[in-house]
Amino acid sequence: AQKVTQAQTEISVVEKEDVTLDCVYETRDTTYYLFWYKQPPSGELVFLIRRNSFDEQNEISGRYSWNFQKSTSSFNFTITASQVVDSAVYFCALSRRDSSYKLIFGSGTRLLVRP
Amino acid sequence: DGGITQSPKYLFRKEGQNVTLSCEQNLNHDAMYWYRQDPGQGLRLIYYSQIVNDFQKGDIAEGYSVSREKKESFPLTVTSAQKNPTAFYLCASKGTGPYEQYFGPGTRLTVT
Repeated sequence: AQKVTQAQTEISVVEKEDVTLDCVYETRDTTYYLFWYKQPPSGELVFLIRRNSFDEQNEISGRYSWNFQKSTSSFNFTITASQVVDSAVYFCALSRRDSSYKLIFGSGTRLLVRP
Repeated sequence: DGGITQSPKYLFRKEGQNVTLSCEQNLNHDAMYWYRQDPGQGLRLIYYSQIVNDFQKGDIAEGYSVSREKKESFPLTVTSAQKNPTAFYLCASKGTGPYEQYFGPGTRLTVT
């Protein structure tokens, strides 16, 4: 069975602090895909990144960076120098390589960045 | 602009009534999905469709129905058989292959 665990329910930081959101996944597949989405208060999910299981390179995009480690089945997300606009719920998700490519979501981490 | 639209944003219904949620996309995507989100939880898949006139049940399809008569449209009907319909419903679409899904703004359904 596939599963995504986001153990941090809620994180509160002060603006400009760095923060890491954890994501641990379970799958028996050798090929799979991992995603991060942001859900601001408006409710719409915003795509942030997709990572293929065969590509373990870390990625940096501005203040965002992602650390993918197959050895620990983790796909963690770090925000550097957090800003109030980063306040949102962040979801990690897993997809199989099958005909549906449906997403299996973690329960999300609510990030509150205080000024 | 390309994107996904869902209407209405808020919907109120009395218990025992069926209600249909709209989802339209102009991204020319073949695949479309319906998810349900409950407070403090992740999203769960209700139904998905990979091509016109074809759709599959997701993990929590009981009490819901869908149709896919046009590529652009994937409406979801919440029937009176759904025991706990109050939730936030999100529609998504995806191009062919292992790509990311793009989401609409969602419909918040309240049934009393």
